Amino acid sequence: QQQVKQSPQSLIVQKGGISIINCAYENTAFDYFPWYQQFPGKGPALLIAIRPDVSEKKEGRFTISFNKSAKQFSLHIMDSQPGDSATYFCAASMKRGYNKLIFGAGTRLAVHP
Amino acid sequence: DTEVTQTPKHLVMGMTNKKSLKCEQHMGHRAMYWYKQKAKKPPELMFVYSYEKLSINESVPSRFSPECPNSSLLNLHLHALQPEDSALYLCASSQIPTAPLEQYFGPGTRLTVT
Repeated sequence: QQQVKQSPQSLIVQKGGISIINCAYENTAFDYFPWYQQFPGKGPALLIAIRPDVSEKKEGRFTISFNKSAKQFSLHIMDSQPGDSATYFCAASMKRGYNKLIFGAGTRLAVHP
Repeated sequence: DTEVTQTPKHLVMGMTNKKSLKCEQHMGHRAMYWYKQKAKKPPELMFVYSYEKLSINESVPSRFSPECPNSSLLNLHLHALQPEDSALYLCASSQIPTAPLEQYFGPGTRLTVT
């Protein structure tokens, strides 16, 4: 119940295409869903985050879609660029208790020119 | 400014050495975290400090000893580590510890135990 399942494990997209990464969870106590981007040898950087009262959030080329009834959320990267090539982690955190992030397994995205 | 700094960037230590990792943030955040990340895996939570007090220890071996001298600084003291402890050690902070809020990560310390 504590898990966040992320897919696909790896993704290859052509420049200008749309990258889509999916995550699913079981625990309805999760209340906050961030996405992190991590380049090799660097720390994860917070990309965008959403809460369950919103179905979609957009920041630039990055959009989170949230389906509360299905307990799924996804990251869409529009007009993908080679500079977007990185590992993406979804995560979830609960409404109560300490701010513990439960991470998905990660998706390695490669955007080819 | 959402910067968390960590030093050193790289550390190589023998199994009998004692070393420390340092993390600093000046955002006024009152929660700080240590994570361990192995290659191609997500970060794993090790410790949570809440208002300078240790709140969560995720069953981490005693060869890792955290310390929070003040609200801006977090240390991780290392002693008698094993080669399998080689990993990227990440520090993070958030505004307060008891609500789902943004966590900001530092660049990490790449630790190699020989």
